[in-house]
Amino acid sequence: NAGVTQTPKFRVLKTGQSMTLLCAQDMNHEYMYWYRQDPGMGLRLIHYSVGEGTTAKGEVPDGYNVSRLKKQNFLLGLESAAPSQTSVYFCASSSMTETSYEQYFGPGTRLTVT
Amino acid sequence: GQSLEQPSEVTAVEGAIVQINCTYQTSGFYGLSWYQQHDGGAPTFLSYNALDGLEETGRFSSFLSRSDSYGYLLLQELQMKDSASYFCAVRAGSGGYNKLIFGAGTRLAVHP
Repeated sequence: NAGVTQTPKFRVLKTGQSMTLLCAQDMNHEYMYWYRQDPGMGLRLIHYSVGEGTTAKGEVPDGYNVSRLKKQNFLLGLESAAPSQTSVYFCASSSMTETSYEQYFGPGTRLTVT
Repeated sequence: GQSLEQPSEVTAVEGAIVQINCTYQTSGFYGLSWYQQHDGGAPTFLSYNALDGLEETGRFSSFLSRSDSYGYLLLQELQMKDSASYFCAVRAGSGGYNKLIFGAGTRLAVHP
């Protein structure tokens, strides 16, 4: 099993450009998440999904959109990139039970917006 | 709102014991998780406490006091490879939903 994978690993964008980050998981998890991590600020939840076809806003959703058309994939879109979106983006997934508490993280995407 | 506080940095020597504290304020609390992250890597799960008390997993232990909104991660017999950032995260929500709110992280430096 590959677990959680993310593409691309690195990307440089110019202000105003758009891009999509892809997250895929092969663990049949219901829940998927997108976080951003900035120096000294830990992980902040951008958007999440509790199942195929559903999405919801997290702590810092502005400037991002997401889609979950297939259970195994969760896409994060930036329509018009800004320098403030320079960050490391992590995708995670987890199963949907009361006792399931572990989130599995992908390797991250390092995004720089100039 | 929801907030977590943990020290920004901790330094220790190999073989020692270190405790990383975490205090939180949240509604709909389910439990407290700890994650480890090495530089350039992804966070990986260490432990989870839903009930008061101590949970032990090898050299790592985690404690929770729900009445004090407080928990800690205890690392024993420190090794150089334990140098990493450690994040506490509150599991909160409703209906068993797994939403995590992370603290800013504690950077642990282990010296020879």
